[in-house]
Amino acid sequence: ETGVTQTPRHLVMGMTNKKSLKCEQHLGHNAMYWYKQSAKKPLELMFVYSLEERVENNSVPSRFSPECPNSSHLFLHLHTLQPEDSALYLCASSRRTGEVGYNEQFFGPGTRLTVL
Amino acid sequence: AQKITQTQPGMFVQEKEAVTLDCTYDTSDPSYGLFWYKQPSSGEMIFLIYQGSYDQQNATEGRYSLNFQKARKSANLVISASQLGDSAMYFCAMRGPGDYQLIWGAGTKLIIKP
Repeated sequence: ETGVTQTPRHLVMGMTNKKSLKCEQHLGHNAMYWYKQSAKKPLELMFVYSLEERVENNSVPSRFSPECPNSSHLFLHLHTLQPEDSALYLCASSRRTGEVGYNEQFFGPGTRLTVL
Repeated sequence: AQKITQTQPGMFVQEKEAVTLDCTYDTSDPSYGLFWYKQPSSGEMIFLIYQGSYDQQNATEGRYSLNFQKARKSANLVISASQLGDSAMYFCAMRGPGDYQLIWGAGTKLIIKP
Protein backbone atom coordinates (compact mmCIF):
# COMPACT_ATOMS: atom_id res chain seq x y z
CA GLU A 1 0.00 0.00 0.00
CA THR A 2 1.25 3.49 -0.76
CA GLY A 3 0.07 6.99 0.03
CA VAL A 4 -3.09 7.45 2.05
CA THR A 5 -5.78 4.78 2.10
CA GLN A 6 -9.32 5.03 3.41
CA THR A 7 -11.95 2.40 4.15
CA PRO A 8 -14.72 1.94 3.42
CA ARG A 9 -15.00 3.85 0.14
CA HIS A 10 -18.79 3.97 0.41
CA LEU A 11 -21.01 3.78 3.48
CA VAL A 12 -24.76 3.95 3.90
CA MET A 13 -26.06 4.14 7.43
CA GLY A 14 -29.20 4.87 9.34
CA MET A 15 -29.43 7.64 11.87
CA THR A 16 -29.26 5.22 14.79
CA ASN A 17 -26.24 3.25 13.56
CA LYS A 18 -22.67 3.41 14.81
CA LYS A 19 -19.88 3.08 12.27
CA SER A 20 -16.23 4.01 11.92
CA LEU A 21 -14.14 5.38 9.07
CA LYS A 22 -10.53 4.32 8.86
CA CYS A 23 -7.54 6.11 7.41
CA GLU A 24 -3.98 4.85 7.09
CA GLN A 25 -0.97 6.71 5.75
CA HIS A 26 2.22 5.05 4.49
CA LEU A 27 4.24 8.26 4.00
CA GLY A 28 6.01 8.58 7.33
CA HIS A 29 4.04 11.71 8.17
CA ASN A 30 3.06 12.63 11.68
CA ALA A 31 0.13 14.98 11.15
CA MET A 32 -3.26 13.64 10.05
CA TYR A 33 -6.52 15.38 9.16
CA TRP A 34 -10.23 14.75 8.68
CA TYR A 35 -12.13 16.92 6.20
CA LYS A 36 -15.79 17.03 5.22
CA GLN A 37 -16.65 17.86 1.61
CA SER A 38 -20.29 18.68 0.93
CA ALA A 39 -21.72 19.59 -2.45
CA LYS A 40 -21.19 23.23 -3.44
CA LYS A 41 -19.28 24.09 -0.23
CA PRO A 42 -15.57 24.57 0.37
CA LEU A 43 -13.69 21.82 2.09
CA GLU A 44 -14.26 21.92 5.86
CA LEU A 45 -11.46 20.93 8.23
CA MET A 46 -12.87 18.82 11.07
CA PHE A 47 -9.92 17.55 13.10
CA VAL A 48 -6.13 17.63 13.07
CA TYR A 49 -3.77 15.34 14.94
CA SER A 50 -0.05 16.00 15.28
CA LEU A 51 2.05 13.25 16.87
CA GLU A 52 -1.19 11.56 17.90
CA GLU A 53 -2.35 14.62 19.81
CA ARG A 54 -5.44 16.52 18.71
CA VAL A 55 -4.39 20.05 17.81
CA GLU A 56 -7.46 21.37 16.01
CA ASN A 57 -11.15 20.72 16.47
CA ASN A 58 -13.27 23.04 14.42
CA SER A 59 -16.58 23.06 16.31
CA VAL A 60 -17.55 19.65 15.06
CA PRO A 61 -20.70 18.06 16.60
CA SER A 62 -20.00 15.39 19.20
CA ARG A 63 -21.65 12.74 17.03
CA PHE A 64 -18.26 12.71 15.23
CA SER A 65 -15.49 11.31 17.42
CA PRO A 66 -11.91 11.05 16.13
CA GLU A 67 -9.25 8.65 17.33
CA CYS A 68 -5.56 8.58 16.48
CA PRO A 69 -3.88 5.53 18.07
CA ASN A 70 -0.55 6.13 16.28
CA SER A 71 0.92 8.41 13.64
CA SER A 72 -0.13 6.09 10.79
CA HIS A 73 -3.77 5.52 11.67
CA LEU A 74 -6.75 7.80 12.09
CA PHE A 75 -10.35 6.87 12.76
CA LEU A 76 -13.60 8.78 12.69
CA HIS A 77 -16.30 7.19 14.83
CA LEU A 78 -19.85 8.05 13.81
CA HIS A 79 -23.03 7.73 15.86
CA THR A 80 -26.58 9.08 15.61
CA LEU A 81 -25.78 11.03 12.47
CA GLN A 82 -28.19 13.29 10.63
CA PRO A 83 -29.03 13.28 6.90
CA GLU A 84 -27.14 16.58 6.51
CA ASP A 85 -23.97 14.71 7.52
CA SER A 86 -24.06 12.94 4.16
CA ALA A 87 -20.85 13.99 2.39
CA LEU A 88 -17.44 12.88 1.20
CA TYR A 89 -15.08 12.48 4.16
CA LEU A 90 -11.46 12.93 3.25
CA CYS A 91 -8.43 11.99 5.27
CA ALA A 92 -5.05 13.67 4.70
CA SER A 93 -1.56 13.55 6.15
CA SER A 94 1.46 15.83 6.11
CA ARG A 95 4.74 16.50 7.79
CA ARG A 96 4.44 18.63 10.89
CA THR A 97 4.87 22.37 10.56
CA GLY A 98 8.48 23.31 11.27
CA GLU A 99 9.88 20.36 9.36
CA VAL A 100 11.63 20.95 6.05
CA GLY A 101 9.37 21.77 3.13
CA TYR A 102 6.01 23.44 2.75
CA ASN A 103 4.03 20.58 4.20
CA GLU A 104 1.58 19.89 1.44
CA GLN A 105 -1.20 17.59 2.50
CA PHE A 106 -1.61 14.23 0.83
CA PHE A 107 -5.17 12.96 0.60
CA GLY A 108 -6.87 9.61 0.55
CA PRO A 109 -9.68 8.77 -1.90
CA GLY A 110 -12.39 9.55 0.64
CA THR A 111 -15.40 7.77 2.05
CA ARG A 112 -18.73 8.67 0.45
CA LEU A 113 -21.17 8.65 3.37
CA THR A 114 -24.94 8.59 2.98
CA VAL A 115 -27.13 8.93 6.07
CA LEU A 116 -30.71 7.79 5.64
CA ALA B 1 -9.92 37.30 7.68
CA GLN B 2 -8.23 35.08 5.17
CA LYS B 3 -10.21 34.12 2.09
CA ILE B 4 -9.78 32.32 -1.22
CA THR B 5 -11.99 33.17 -4.19
CA GLN B 6 -12.35 31.07 -7.33
CA THR B 7 -14.73 32.90 -9.65
CA GLN B 8 -15.08 30.25 -12.35
CA PRO B 9 -17.49 27.52 -11.27
CA GLY B 10 -16.96 25.67 -14.54
CA MET B 11 -14.89 25.78 -17.71
CA PHE B 12 -14.93 23.94 -21.03
CA VAL B 13 -11.64 23.86 -22.93
CA GLN B 14 -10.61 22.18 -26.17
CA GLU B 15 -7.96 19.48 -25.83
CA LYS B 16 -4.37 20.71 -26.34
CA GLU B 17 -5.27 24.30 -25.52
CA ALA B 18 -3.77 26.06 -22.52
CA VAL B 19 -6.04 26.69 -19.52
CA THR B 20 -5.92 29.40 -16.87
CA LEU B 21 -7.84 28.83 -13.66
CA ASP B 22 -8.33 31.93 -11.54
CA CYS B 23 -7.63 32.27 -7.85
CA THR B 24 -7.55 35.43 -5.76
CA TYR B 25 -6.78 35.55 -2.09
CA ASP B 26 -7.03 37.90 0.82
CA THR B 27 -4.68 37.94 3.77
CA SER B 28 -2.94 40.50 5.94
CA ASP B 29 -0.13 38.11 6.81
CA PRO B 30 3.09 38.94 4.87
CA SER B 31 4.13 35.29 4.95
CA TYR B 32 1.77 32.81 3.33
CA GLY B 33 1.65 29.85 1.00
CA LEU B 34 -0.69 28.99 -1.83
CA PHE B 35 -1.55 25.50 -3.07
CA TRP B 36 -3.40 24.06 -6.02
CA TYR B 37 -5.06 20.66 -5.86
CA LYS B 38 -6.84 18.56 -8.47
CA GLN B 39 -9.81 16.34 -7.57
CA PRO B 40 -10.87 13.83 -10.22
CA SER B 41 -14.25 12.15 -10.04
CA SER B 42 -12.63 9.36 -8.00
CA GLY B 43 -12.53 11.79 -5.06
CA GLU B 44 -8.87 11.93 -4.13
CA MET B 45 -7.29 15.39 -3.82
CA ILE B 46 -4.00 15.48 -5.71
CA PHE B 47 -1.42 18.14 -4.85
CA LEU B 48 -0.24 19.98 -7.98
CA ILE B 49 1.87 23.00 -7.10
CA TYR B 50 2.89 25.38 -4.32
CA GLN B 51 3.86 29.06 -4.25
CA GLY B 52 5.36 30.76 -1.22
CA SER B 53 4.79 34.47 -0.73
CA TYR B 54 8.53 35.17 -0.68
CA ASP B 55 9.38 33.00 -3.68
CA GLN B 56 11.08 35.14 -6.28
CA GLN B 57 9.94 33.10 -9.24
CA ASN B 58 6.61 31.64 -10.29
CA ALA B 59 6.33 27.98 -9.40
CA THR B 60 6.35 25.42 -12.20
CA GLU B 61 5.75 21.67 -12.11
CA GLY B 62 5.66 19.93 -15.47
CA ARG B 63 2.65 21.22 -17.40
CA TYR B 64 1.48 23.24 -14.40
CA SER B 65 2.66 26.74 -13.64
CA LEU B 66 1.46 29.34 -11.24
CA ASN B 67 0.99 32.93 -12.40
CA PHE B 68 1.66 34.66 -9.08
CA GLN B 69 0.84 38.37 -9.01
CA LYS B 70 1.40 39.45 -5.45
CA ALA B 71 0.22 43.05 -5.82
CA ARG B 72 -3.07 41.85 -7.28
CA LYS B 73 -3.28 38.98 -4.78
CA SER B 74 -3.83 36.45 -7.49
CA ALA B 75 -2.35 32.99 -7.97
CA ASN B 76 -3.75 31.60 -11.19
CA LEU B 77 -2.99 28.05 -12.28
CA VAL B 78 -1.93 27.60 -15.88
CA ILE B 79 -2.12 24.17 -17.50
CA SER B 80 -0.30 23.97 -20.79
CA ALA B 81 -1.35 21.61 -23.60
CA SER B 82 -4.46 20.31 -21.83
CA GLN B 83 -5.30 16.61 -21.93
CA LEU B 84 -8.55 14.71 -21.46
CA GLY B 85 -7.24 13.46 -18.13
CA ASP B 86 -7.09 17.02 -16.86
CA SER B 87 -10.90 17.03 -16.53
CA ALA B 88 -11.51 17.42 -12.79
CA MET B 89 -12.30 19.88 -10.02
CA TYR B 90 -9.44 22.23 -9.20
CA PHE B 91 -9.07 23.85 -5.81
CA CYS B 92 -6.92 26.75 -4.72
CA ALA B 93 -5.96 26.84 -1.03
CA MET B 94 -3.94 29.07 1.26
CA ARG B 95 -2.18 28.27 4.49
CA GLY B 96 -4.47 29.61 7.18
CA PRO B 97 -4.14 30.65 10.78
CA GLY B 98 -2.46 28.12 12.99
CA ASP B 99 0.03 25.54 11.85
CA TYR B 100 -2.27 23.16 10.02
CA GLN B 101 -5.24 25.06 8.65
CA LEU B 102 -5.76 25.44 4.91
CA ILE B 103 -8.33 27.94 3.62
CA TRP B 104 -10.01 26.47 0.54
CA GLY B 105 -11.73 28.00 -2.45
CA ALA B 106 -15.01 26.65 -3.81
CA GLY B 107 -13.27 25.05 -6.79
CA THR B 108 -13.51 25.18 -10.58
CA LYS B 109 -14.83 22.27 -12.59
CA LEU B 110 -12.70 21.87 -15.71
CA ILE B 111 -13.91 19.78 -18.63
CA ILE B 112 -11.57 19.10 -21.51
CA LYS B 113 -13.34 18.47 -24.82
CA PRO B 114 -11.81 16.10 -27.39
